[in-house]
Amino acid sequence: GESVGLHLPTLSVQEGDNSIINCAYSNSASDYFIWYKQESGKGPQFIIDIRSNMDKRQGQRVTVLLNKTVKHLSLQIAATQPGDSAVYFCAENMAGTALIFGKGTTLSVSS
Amino acid sequence: DAGITQSPRHKVTETGTPVTLRCHQTENHRYMYWYRQDPGHGLRLIHYSYGVKDTDKGEVSDGYSVSRSKTEDFLLTLESATSSQTSVYFCAISSRTSGPTDTQYFGPGTRLTVL
Repeated sequence: GESVGLHLPTLSVQEGDNSIINCAYSNSASDYFIWYKQESGKGPQFIIDIRSNMDKRQGQRVTVLLNKTVKHLSLQIAATQPGDSAVYFCAENMAGTALIFGKGTTLSVSS
Repeated sequence: DAGITQSPRHKVTETGTPVTLRCHQTENHRYMYWYRQDPGHGLRLIHYSYGVKDTDKGEVSDGYSVSRSKTEDFLLTLESATSSQTSVYFCAISSRTSGPTDTQYFGPGTRLTVL
C-alpha cells in the first residue's frame, strides 16, 4: 500500500546549525501534511502542518516546505538546540481517510 | 499532552489474559484513535471512534476491540493477550471541525509487555 517515508533514519547536527529533515510521500491525492516530534518516552507532539494549496509555512524556528511536483516534504529547524533532539515523523492525510505516518528520523544535537 | 491521559502507563501481563487500556480526554473532541508503535513500523492505527458508540477498524485491528460509551473515554481491549501485542499504545484525539484537516493530538502512551 502507499505510505509516507523518510529519507534518512538518523541526522546528527551541531548546536546552532540549521537542520533539514526530509520526507517523501507517495499518494498524490494527499492534501494535508503534519510534522510531529517525539521525545523518548513521550507521545508524538504536533509541530506544524501544511495544506496542499501551500508551498511553505513558517512557525517558531520551524519551516515546512511542500513540493507537490516531486511529492516531497521537508522540515527545517533553525538554530537547532539540544532540546530539539527527538524522533521526527511526517504524516499525510487525504480528506476522510486516516493519517499515514512515516517511520521517523532521529535528530541528535550535540553541543 | 492536549488534555489526554492514558491508564495504566505501564503494564506487564501474561499470554492469554484480558487487558483493557483506557484513554480519557478533557477536550470534548469527537474523534478518538488507538495506535500501536513498534520499532521498524512506526505508528499504526488499530481502531478509531467518530462518536459515542461509533467505531471503526484501522490497519491492525485483529485481536483488539474498542468501546466508547462516553465522549471522554475510549477503551481498548485485548481479549486474550499475545506476545505479538507487546508494544507501546498511544491514544489520539481530533476535532475534525476544520474541513479536511485531521490534526491529531496524542496522549503519553501505555507500555504493554505480554510475557
